Amino acid sequence: AAGVIQSPRHLIKEKRETATLKCYPIPRHDTVYWYQQGPGQDPQFLISFYEKMQSDKGSIPDRFSAQQFSDYHSELNMSSLELGDSALYFCASSSREDTQYFGPGTRLTVL
Amino acid sequence: DAKTTQPPSMDCAEGRAANLPCNHSTISGNEYVYWYRQIHSQGPQYIIHGLKNNETNEMASLIITEDRKSSTLILPHATLRDTAVYYCIVRVKTGANSKLTFGKGITLSVRP
Repeated sequence: AAGVIQSPRHLIKEKRETATLKCYPIPRHDTVYWYQQGPGQDPQFLISFYEKMQSDKGSIPDRFSAQQFSDYHSELNMSSLELGDSALYFCASSSREDTQYFGPGTRLTVL
Repeated sequence: DAKTTQPPSMDCAEGRAANLPCNHSTISGNEYVYWYRQIHSQGPQYIIHGLKNNETNEMASLIITEDRKSSTLILPHATLRDTAVYYCIVRVKTGANSKLTFGKGITLSVRP
């Protein structure tokens, strides 16, 4: 069965640079969630979209923004990167906010 | 979302059943119990969920007490590949608060 696709899988950036993470949900899924997992931490919810509209917002820094496009894929844009942004970023998708299925994640390293 | 309480760790022998407990004493009537696991920095993997009836799928069984204040995830024949952090999460199924709130989870170690 098709799964959630995230790209890139690994990303290395310098401080103050920008990064864009992409998420391609499971076909026919209309809801996308973003989670951040710092080293040794548990995943923390950032933001979600349902039918291309923001549906919920967690502890997402103002430097981050996200959107869901007409084909339901989503992008997480991160600007003015800080060392503390180094983390795993997971995207999950669901159908009408039902059971969430996670992608493999993007490992972001900020130097 | 209601909070859940899980022991920090447990272990079991390969081939034996692993019973992972979870307390969710403040669960609301419209909240489901979900279980996910995370194997070493991989994306969390959905296992099973339930509202009030016991549930079983190809991966595990979920036993929810009648008062819904606690539940147990059962892996019937644990293998080394089941070593992971298991998260018990309570959430509403749809709507603006349907995000997953991860707690500390329980680290299951399956020994040969």
